[in-house]
Amino acid sequence: AQSVTQLDSHVSVSEGTPVLLRCNYSSSYSPSLFWYVQHPNKGLQLLLKYTSAATLVKGINGFEAEFKKSETSFHLTKPSAHMSDAAEYFCVVSFMDTGRRALTFGSGTRLQVQP
Amino acid sequence: NAGVTQTPKFQVLKTGQSMTLQCAQDMNHEYMSWYRQDPGMGLRLIHYSVGAGITDQGEVPNGYNVSRSTTEDFPLRLLSAAPSQTSVYFCASSRTSGDYNEQFFGPGTRLTVL
Repeated sequence: AQSVTQLDSHVSVSEGTPVLLRCNYSSSYSPSLFWYVQHPNKGLQLLLKYTSAATLVKGINGFEAEFKKSETSFHLTKPSAHMSDAAEYFCVVSFMDTGRRALTFGSGTRLQVQP
Repeated sequence: NAGVTQTPKFQVLKTGQSMTLQCAQDMNHEYMSWYRQDPGMGLRLIHYSVGAGITDQGEVPNGYNVSRSTTEDFPLRLLSAAPSQTSVYFCASSRTSGDYNEQFFGPGTRLTVL
């Protein structure tokens, strides 16, 4: 079984300050891990993915995430928040299971960016 | 490339009505899936397909039917809508080859059942 826990349902930061969105996972398999972003009334956009190569993964719009196997974590960070970063962020764990591409979503973290 | 497209964007149904949510992709992806998104619950898998003629159930399949007659299209049918099916529905597609599982999502259909 696999699961994803996003530790904060809401995070509020000021523009120009760092962003940290926390994600812990459990998986019986070697996981692939993703962060997706969803802007209001929009679909989901892939921010970045971890696929067992480098543990520090760089994504779009200045976001990055570090895979820490010992801590089963995949936290998302950005050095300096921008107003356009306000959105909902989903941490996702995935594995292949007899053809089924099983994606398990976290419950989401809503990021607010204050001017 | 249009990517993954979904129609309609919004729909209001009465309890007991039926309808079909359309999903199409032009990336020649073998794998397609339907999710529903409810507040505070992330996305949950309804049905999926690994290729034309092959479908299977996901986590929350009750009340929904699917078929896959072509690689491009994967419609989701609600036979008798219920208020519990009020949700936002996302279609996604991906390749079946490769060592990871990046899925491409459509813009969603917001469904309200009265």
